[in-house]
Amino acid sequence: GEDVEQSLFLSVREGDSSVINCTYTDSSSTYLYWYKQEPGAGLQLLTYIFSNMDMKQDQRLTVLLNKKDKHLSLRIADTQTGDSAIYFCAERGFQKLVFGTGTRLLVSP
Amino acid sequence: SQTIHQWPATLVQPVGSPLSLECTVEGTSNPNLYWYRQAAGRGLQLLFYSVGIGQISSEVPQNLSASRPQDRQFILSSKKLLLSDSGFYLCAWGGGHVADTQYFGPGTRLTVL
Repeated sequence: GEDVEQSLFLSVREGDSSVINCTYTDSSSTYLYWYKQEPGAGLQLLTYIFSNMDMKQDQRLTVLLNKKDKHLSLRIADTQTGDSAIYFCAERGFQKLVFGTGTRLLVSP
Repeated sequence: SQTIHQWPATLVQPVGSPLSLECTVEGTSNPNLYWYRQAAGRGLQLLFYSVGIGQISSEVPQNLSASRPQDRQFILSSKKLLLSDSGFYLCAWGGGHVADTQYFGPGTRLTVL
């Protein structure tokens, strides 16, 4: 079945790069996603990547996809305190998305 | 542009009372609709999804139910709330984008006492 795993916590200093990792199990997933959740709010779509791509860059965000290892990562360059949030990766299943448990990113000044 | 609304934003209910949470979507037609629950400090649990009016798929057996009386309206209900029903309830819509992305509402914080 589908399963998505993430590390629970990541702490970085302001200005450093953050790398959030995710592993998934369904090799037939066509799209993979990254969402951001700030405290008390809903999830905000950050970016997505199609399974035939290895990398996608959008301003400070870089998504890397290793299909062989079923590994997805999100790199945030020049991390700011406003980037502190929970980050969820998700894979596309049948009529639904399968979400990871979320990684809480804490950015300290 | 599309928007998704949820209400109420917060709710405090006693154990055994009924529940009705509403979600509406604007700016799109025939969306897929989803209800998720997020317990404190936890990930998302998919509760129900709907691909059309009157079509409801349940992911987890529980004392909650969902209905879709109109194309862009999704309702989460319970006849008798349990303490374990406390959490953050999120509604999402999808199907309007080639990547089948889901877009989330602001959520409802439910506390059952």
